Amino acid sequence: DVKVTQSSRYLVKRTGEKVFLECVQDMDHENMFWYRQDPGLGLRLIYFSYDVKMKEKGDIPEGYSVSREKKERFSLILESASTNQTSMYLCASIWKSGMANTGELFFGEGSRLTVL
Amino acid sequence: AQSVTQLDSHVSVSEGTPVLLRCNYSSSYSPSLFWYVQHPNKGLQLLLKYTSAATLVKGINGFEAEFKKSETSFHLTKPSAHMSDAAEYFCVVNSLFGTDKLIFGTGTRLQVFP
Repeated sequence: DVKVTQSSRYLVKRTGEKVFLECVQDMDHENMFWYRQDPGLGLRLIYFSYDVKMKEKGDIPEGYSVSREKKERFSLILESASTNQTSMYLCASIWKSGMANTGELFFGEGSRLTVL
Repeated sequence: AQSVTQLDSHVSVSEGTPVLLRCNYSSSYSPSLFWYVQHPNKGLQLLLKYTSAATLVKGINGFEAEFKKSETSFHLTKPSAHMSDAAEYFCVVNSLFGTDKLIFGTGTRLQVFP
């Protein structure tokens, strides 16, 4: 069974702390994504990566960075957490065939972060 | 540029009655369109997808959607709602070529009453 695993389901952090959210996929997918989900706003793309050590900014990258040292692992980093980063964070991966992607994103179950 | 609009933020139906979740899209290219479902405290799961083959697409759990180019719509339907259908549904647009960024709608929360 294909799987995207987010290591932490629930986290509570204090303002100014550094936060790491880890995501691992076992499907050998090239592309991985980090989304943020907030009520009424849907999913917004923070960063994505199409290869090891490659990254691209999404629509809301401010305050975040990412790391992709291995194909299966994509980490989201909050250098200095702030209360407006309290949210649900979703990791996803997708398979590509040549130029085309299949369109089917596989999602982890999410990491709910609360920043106090 | 691509965008997607889900016309209803909340839809409530009684069990056994039809479900209609509306989605309109805008795309400069031939679009690929998807519906995803998210049950409480879970990640998103693909329900169905349209990629320029048949305009009526069947998905899992009895859902289907029809691609209507003239109306730029991709509405999701189900003939008879079940309690387990209560979830949030997202309409998504992408072009097959040129971008890897899928654009999500803001979601429609479906409530099913007994």
